[in-house]
Amino acid sequence: DAGVIQSPRHEVTEMGQEVTLRCKLISGHNSLFWYRQTMMRGLELLIYFNNNVPIDDSGMPEDRFSAKMPNASFSTLKIQPSEPRDSAVYFCASRAKRTGTEAFFGQGTRLTVV
Amino acid sequence: GNSVTQMEGPVTLSEEAFLTINCTYTATGYPSLFWYVQYPGEGLQLLLKATKADDKGSNKGFEATYRKETTSFHLEKGSVQVSDSAVYFCALSAQVSGYSSASKIIFGSGTRLSIRP
Repeated sequence: DAGVIQSPRHEVTEMGQEVTLRCKLISGHNSLFWYRQTMMRGLELLIYFNNNVPIDDSGMPEDRFSAKMPNASFSTLKIQPSEPRDSAVYFCASRAKRTGTEAFFGQGTRLTVV
Repeated sequence: GNSVTQMEGPVTLSEEAFLTINCTYTATGYPSLFWYVQYPGEGLQLLLKATKADDKGSNKGFEATYRKETTSFHLEKGSVQVSDSAVYFCALSAQVSGYSSASKIIFGSGTRLSIRP
């Protein structure tokens, strides 16, 4: 199994530009989490999908952030417009059908907004 | 609400020393508990887990016991190695209010561990 695949691994963009981060889940997994990691705030849960439906988006910072699951194996996190304070490492993680089991993380996307 | 509090770092030890990283949690119901490890430039990897009270998770010499009475899940290792240097995260899987079959995973702030040769 290839594991959770994120792209791109690194993204540098200018303030005001749209940024799209991508995530491919492990085959057969039905839960998807997006996290943001910074030195100041640690690892924050942004949004959680279960069976393609957003269950908890209370961690999404503001309307500039949006996330979708167009199908069961793929998700995007979009920031529009981007700001320097969005600079962070963004992780997605997927989990198998049973609740209470662990999530498997991708390698992350390091986003720098200049 | 649901939360995880873990020992602040950084923690620096000599090789072969005993390690404890404290973790306590607040949760409704009966969460599953996890320790994850993150090496530089990588994503998080599951180190061990426990799904019910008194369960002991173990892996690679690390252990943690699910203590419901003290709401704790402390990570221990008897003899650390330089290769154990990483950031360690305690986490719980908490049911989402209003969804009986959905649970989100919440992480503590992480503890950076450095081992001196």
